[in-house]
Amino acid sequence: AQSVTQLGSHVSVSEGALVLLRCNYSSSVPPYLFWYVQYPNQGLQLLLKYTTGATLVKGINGFEAEFKKSETSFHLTKPSAHMSDAAEYFCVVSWGTSYGKLTFGQGTILTVHP
Amino acid sequence: GAGVSQSPSNKVTEKGKDVELRCDPISGHTALYWYRQSLGQGLEFLIYFQGNSAPDKSGLPSDRFSAERTGGSVSTLTIQRTQQEDSAVYLCASTLNRGQDTEAFFGQGTRLTVV
Repeated sequence: AQSVTQLGSHVSVSEGALVLLRCNYSSSVPPYLFWYVQYPNQGLQLLLKYTTGATLVKGINGFEAEFKKSETSFHLTKPSAHMSDAAEYFCVVSWGTSYGKLTFGQGTILTVHP
Repeated sequence: GAGVSQSPSNKVTEKGKDVELRCDPISGHTALYWYRQSLGQGLEFLIYFQGNSAPDKSGLPSDRFSAERTGGSVSTLTIQRTQQEDSAVYLCASTLNRGQDTEAFFGQGTRLTVV
């Protein structure tokens, strides 16, 4: 069965530290991969996406993710966390249809400590 | 409009009552999706509209749930005879076209509480 798994429902880092949010998927067909973020009291918004081409994808607010087909992973990173990065992050996959039906991971809540 | 608008933002209803949730997508967006975000279940796909047609209703959890879209714009999600397990945040998203790689724009959701 096709699925997407985020490792760790909560991640806590200090301000200035590396942020690493893990995502793995299982799929028999090439997926389209996204990271969405939900800030407190706001709607979901797109951070970045991988469709085809370069496997290292840069997004907004200094985030980036690398598609590793051999590892079926799409981990999200940011070199230096900022307090404003505190939010819930969703790894999202689209596959198996001709339209944008999204399958969400369970989400990871990122807390940033001063 | 500038973004996807959902109303009401919050709805408390008694078990057994019917509710209607409304979504105004971004103008010109042809595809519209409903998702549900609930504790323990995460975010789940409910239904997809292309124009006024719904080619994929596979995520609707029961026949108490229905949705329609009119004029290729506004969509209404109706839940009949609400149950406590229907309590969740219902999210609407729209995309400019139907492709798998297109960015989805989400509304802020309707928080439904069934008491």
